[in-house]
Amino acid sequence: QVQLVESGGGLVKPGGSLRLSCAASGFTFSDYYMSWIRQAPGKGLEWVSYISSSGSTIYYADSVKGRFTISRDNAKNSLYLQMNSLRAEDTAVYYCAGGIGAFDIWGQGTMVTVSS
Amino acid sequence: QSALTQPASVSGSPGQSITISCTGTSSDVGSYNLVSWYQQHPGKAPKLMIYEVSKRPSGVSNRFSGSKSGNTASLTISGLQAEDEADYYCCSYAGSSTLGVFGGGTKLTVL
Repeated sequence: QVQLVESGGGLVKPGGSLRLSCAASGFTFSDYYMSWIRQAPGKGLEWVSYISSSGSTIYYADSVKGRFTISRDNAKNSLYLQMNSLRAEDTAVYYCAGGIGAFDIWGQGTMVTVSS
Repeated sequence: QSALTQPASVSGSPGQSITISCTGTSSDVGSYNLVSWYQQHPGKAPKLMIYEVSKRPSGVSNRFSGSKSGNTASLTISGLQAEDEADYYCCSYAGSSTLGVFGGGTKLTVL
């Protein structure tokens, strides 16, 4: 079945780094535009970053620009998010999601906690 | 990019209809027919309910419908059921560098 599975979350100190992964299965990953979307505890959804199907076009929310890097490996059906210089306000569940115009495939999310 | 504006909460009794509004600007909701709606139950991932303002993905009940007028989009749920109790988020495309701007979310309570 169509599935996205995130991994790589955890507890990290302010200023630290973390790399999230998202493994896709059950659909043609290389055809899909992919995004990372996060949700702080008890808060709403926030779009973080987007990468086109080929990886040639990338955008970031202003809140993470210069600190986060999105990438993908279509041969491995995988999406990544390298997060550097992490701040307390980056604490959230991070979802990978597929689609453009609408996010029609979602993973279950991985929790990132930034705390000393 | 500012978040879209949604009411914090709405409620209704089983069988009734409710409407959730989502107000943006001429730079997002008003400019594109790319408004989507998501349902999120506690501890679960969001689920796409409506895309391109009024289209339903396969498998979503026809009790869910969407519309748009000017800078405001709306989600209507008819024949409310207990399982509809959840948080609902709207989202709009806002230009090529901002794939999605979300609303703050609306908590639907089925009385």
